[in-house]
Amino acid sequence: AAGVIQSPRHLIKEKRETATLKCYPIPRHDTVYWYQQGPGQDPQFLISFYEKMQSDKGSIPDRFSAQQFSDYHSELNMSSLELGDSALYFCASSSWDTADTQYFGPGTRLTVL
Amino acid sequence: AQTVTQSQPEMSVQEAETVTLSCTYDTSESDYYLFWYKQPPSRQMILVIRQEAYKQQNATENRFSVNFQKAAKSFSLKISDSQLGDAAMYFCAYRSRETSGSRLTFGEGTQLTVNP
Repeated sequence: AAGVIQSPRHLIKEKRETATLKCYPIPRHDTVYWYQQGPGQDPQFLISFYEKMQSDKGSIPDRFSAQQFSDYHSELNMSSLELGDSALYFCASSSWDTADTQYFGPGTRLTVL
Repeated sequence: AQTVTQSQPEMSVQEAETVTLSCTYDTSESDYYLFWYKQPPSRQMILVIRQEAYKQQNATENRFSVNFQKAAKSFSLKISDSQLGDAAMYFCAYRSRETSGSRLTFGEGTQLTVNP
């Protein structure tokens, strides 16, 4: 079965640079979620989109923005990167016919030097 | 706001034995979902089991089952016939059913070790 695809899988950036993470949901899933997981921590919710509209917002820094496109893929844009942004970033997707159960991608590991 | 608590940072079990991981949560909502996710060393988040709060029957998926006590706001995971591949970090998670596209709130996780 098709899974959530995230790219890139690994990303190394310098402080103050910009990064773009991409997420391709499971086919026919209409909702996308972004989570951030720091070392030794549980995943923290950032933001979600349903039918290309923001549906929920968590502790996402103002330096970060995200959107969902017409083909339902989503991008997380991160600017003015800080050392503390180093983390594993997960994308998850869901649909009404899976009772909105969230299925996770493999994650993008971002390292900020 | 909802909170999820896992009071066991680490647990260990012998291969082929049974282990129970604990989870409690706090919410004022009556309709919600509860989940257990597994995160092996690969860091992939894998769904283990799901429970709908309006269902009294405890969910079961092969060797994995839950004990859902709604009044006590308790949601434990039982792993039977433990296998080496079950070794992972296990996260309990809550999701409101009242709004579409709402977030998962995770507990702190329980690191499970399976001894051969």
